[in-house]
Amino acid sequence: NAGVTQTPKFQVLKTGQSMTLQCAQDMNHEYMSWYRQDPGMGLRLIHYSVGAGITDQGEVPNGYNVSRSTTEDFPLRLLSAAPSQTSVYFCASRRDQETQYFGPGTRLLVL
Amino acid sequence: LAKTTQPISMDSYEGQEVNITCSHNNIATNDYITWYQQFPSQGPRFIIQGYKTKVTNEVASLFIPADRKSSTLSLPRVSLSDTAVYYCLVGDSGNTGKLIFGQGTTLQVKP
Repeated sequence: NAGVTQTPKFQVLKTGQSMTLQCAQDMNHEYMSWYRQDPGMGLRLIHYSVGAGITDQGEVPNGYNVSRSTTEDFPLRLLSAAPSQTSVYFCASRRDQETQYFGPGTRLLVL
Repeated sequence: LAKTTQPISMDSYEGQEVNITCSHNNIATNDYITWYQQFPSQGPRFIIQGYKTKVTNEVASLFIPADRKSSTLSLPRVSLSDTAVYYCLVGDSGNTGKLIFGQGTTLQVKP
């Protein structure tokens, strides 16, 4: 199992650009989530999904879209990047009450 | 939504036992309590999970009183490599897949 994979590892964007952060898991987990972590801060939930075709908002959803067309993939789209979205983005997956597994993260810099 | 409260930071010395307590007054009947460890520039990593009483694994113990309104992570004989941020999480009361991180506890282990 590769676990949770994220691409890209690092990205620089200009204000107003859009992009998609990719997340995939090969553990057949129902639940997937996206978090962002700003420097020196804790993780904040952006969006989450409880299964294919089902998504919902977390604590800080503004400026981000998600979709879950398959169990394996959960991409995060930045619609129009802003400097305030400079952060490290972590994707995670789990099966019900079991352990949540995190990806290695994507470092995003918005200029 | 169950929220958690932890100390912001703790200091310890190598070889000591460290206990980090987390308060979760609104924990729901079917929620589990999970602790994660995070090193700089890495995603959180699972440490231990429990529902009630005591759970022990090769790296830590988790103590949960009967009312389940708090939990204590115990790290025996810490080393410098245990310096990290420790997060306590409880499941969303409706088991909707929404897991919210608290601010975490920064543990600094000194020689």
